[in-house]
Amino acid sequence: NAGVTQTPKFQVLKTGQSMTLQCAQDMNHEYMSWYRQDPGMGLRLIHYSVGAGITDQGEVPNGYNVSRSTTEDFPLRLLSAAPSQTSVYFCASSRRDRDGYTFGSGTRLTVV
Amino acid sequence: GENVEQHPSTLSVQEGDSAVIKCTYSDSASNYFPWYKQELGKRPQLIIDIRSNVGEKKDQRIAVTLNKTAKHFSLHITETQPEDSAVYFCAAPLGYSTLTFGKGTMLLVSP
Repeated sequence: NAGVTQTPKFQVLKTGQSMTLQCAQDMNHEYMSWYRQDPGMGLRLIHYSVGAGITDQGEVPNGYNVSRSTTEDFPLRLLSAAPSQTSVYFCASSRRDRDGYTFGSGTRLTVV
Repeated sequence: GENVEQHPSTLSVQEGDSAVIKCTYSDSASNYFPWYKQELGKRPQLIIDIRSNVGEKKDQRIAVTLNKTAKHFSLHITETQPEDSAVYFCAAPLGYSTLTFGKGTMLLVSP
């Protein structure tokens, strides 16, 4: 039981490049979310999903896309990277609503 | 949507003292309030949570209290130790599908 697995752990992108941050969980959790963490800003919600085929926008969705084709996977796509997207990205999942989230180990992204 | 405010942003205590972190929320329908601890360079980890049908929950040196009338909940850490030094986040439900977080409190426990 690996929990929530995020890859890669570190990434450097050039402005304008695209990439996908991977997130997978093996706990059969229905609910999954992506957050970004910046100094002094806490954890801000980017996108979330309540099950396969269902996604919705969070607080800061611009510049990011998501899809949920399976229960296990919830990738986050950066369409055209910008320096403002330099951040630590966390994926999290939970068994149901009103339940504590389990976080992945994070991806530290730098856009130059 | 739900809005969570957390205070203080930093808290320095001496080892053995108590620490209290407070959060307020806006949606009176919210009924689940978790607390997370994040050590430097690590992921946030759930340390305790409370549901709206109880007013207090304890787990060894940590406790959480909930005041639904005033719409605030607090984390209490007693007999603090250096290993309690971390950033603590409170959270509340955002709709029925996810969580929204406070901005965090950096707790520093000095030996």
